[in-house]
Amino acid sequence: QVTLRESGPALVKPTQTLTLTCTFSGFSLSNSQMCVSWIRQPPGKALQWLALIDWDDDKYYSTSLKTRLAISKDTSRNQVVLTMTNMDPVDTATYYCARTGGSSGCHTGGNYYFDSWGQGTLVTVSS
Amino acid sequence: EILLTQSPGTLSLSPGERATLSCRASQSVSSSYLAWYQQKPGQAPRLLIYGASSRATGVPDRFRGSGSGTDFTLTISRLEPEDFAVYYCQQYRSSAPWTFGQGTKVEIK
Repeated sequence: QVTLRESGPALVKPTQTLTLTCTFSGFSLSNSQMCVSWIRQPPGKALQWLALIDWDDDKYYSTSLKTRLAISKDTSRNQVVLTMTNMDPVDTATYYCARTGGSSGCHTGGNYYFDSWGQGTLVTVSS
Repeated sequence: EILLTQSPGTLSLSPGERATLSCRASQSVSSSYLAWYQQKPGQAPRLLIYGASSRATGVPDRFRGSGSGTDFTLTISRLEPEDFAVYYCQQYRSSAPWTFGQGTKVEIK
């Protein structure tokens, strides 16, 4: 059974750096083709893909946010970490991590869909 | 970056009725790299359809995805009470970024 869980601060101040951790089980990022993404959703708004990391430590970022984002992994702990710098109130959102590409992996056939999601963590940016 | 436009914004229907949701891409989504998700209030999205027409594990067969190129459709043949939710399409062509539509809310009439 695949599970993912996000953790991190519920409140950050403007200009601060946000660090979120995704802890997962049921698969391993040491396995070929496995990938994990971060996606966010402002209150009442649509989903926005942010970043992806794969088993080979290749990283992909949202075009509009790539200067502020960094994604990394700790394979031994089954964790993926997302940092976002210079936080602003418009970054208030629920942040999700998701396995990408299913059990076959994301690069197999270009399967960059999100098959298993964490429950999400709401991050509010306010002074 | 591929822009996805979903229509209608809100669909008001009764249980047992058929729902037809549209997702249009600003450029061709090669090889039908299109997914659909269902999201209920306070919950994470759930993958319903990938590859434009393949149902994810455990998804009832009343959910059907179709389309290719720039025009895709999610059809729910007979709405069950648990189907009232927001639905998002997502394109995942070979290169990032991968984008979502703005969502269609299916509400009880």
